[in-house]
Amino acid sequence: KAGVTQTPRYLIKTRGQQVTLSCSPISGHRSVSWYQQTPGQGLQFLFEYFSETQRNKGNFPGRFSGRQFSNSRSEMNVSTLELGDSALYLCASRPTSTDTQYFGPGTRLTVL
Amino acid sequence: QKEVEQNSGPLSVPEGAIASLNCTYSDRVSQSFFWYRQYSGKSPELIMSIYSNGDKEDGRFTAQLNKASQYVSLLIRDSQPSDSATYLCAVPFGNEKLTFGTGTRLTIIP
Repeated sequence: KAGVTQTPRYLIKTRGQQVTLSCSPISGHRSVSWYQQTPGQGLQFLFEYFSETQRNKGNFPGRFSGRQFSNSRSEMNVSTLELGDSALYLCASRPTSTDTQYFGPGTRLTVL
Repeated sequence: QKEVEQNSGPLSVPEGAIASLNCTYSDRVSQSFFWYRQYSGKSPELIMSIYSNGDKEDGRFTAQLNKASQYVSLLIRDSQPSDSATYLCAVPFGNEKLTFGTGTRLTIIP
């Protein structure tokens, strides 16, 4: 099976812009979670989607949002970018029967 | 607040020795525990999961779980330079939200 894929892999934006990141889970996985990883804060949970519904949300401002489509693909959006949003954004999918998560390669976002 | 704690390291271990990585967690009801390895610039890769008290072995890796002490560890036997990475402990808290420790940076010295 193909693994989790994320696009784009690298992104450079300026403050105030918005960005959309995409994630395709492993075939058959209906749960998709998003994480932000920075050197100072480590891996922090953003949100989880299952069958197009947000099931969990981390402690991030409303500028961070996401959605999931009927084919389980997911997107996350960050509006009004700030310098502190520079991070590696990771998507992970898991099968319904377990809580084991499998990560994609990540999108490296740089905000200038 | 649900927490997962790890020593950040760096932990330096000679090649061929045993590397021991430790993790404590705050939620007594957690039932599953994961170790991920992350190479610099890459995404986390699952290396071990453990659900029951005791030891679980997979090749050179052994995970140890003690639920009473809320403690999980990872042992790497016959450490190789390719084991140099950051090791992340992860525990799902409530509704399967996976919480990660800050990771332990491991360096294997040839």
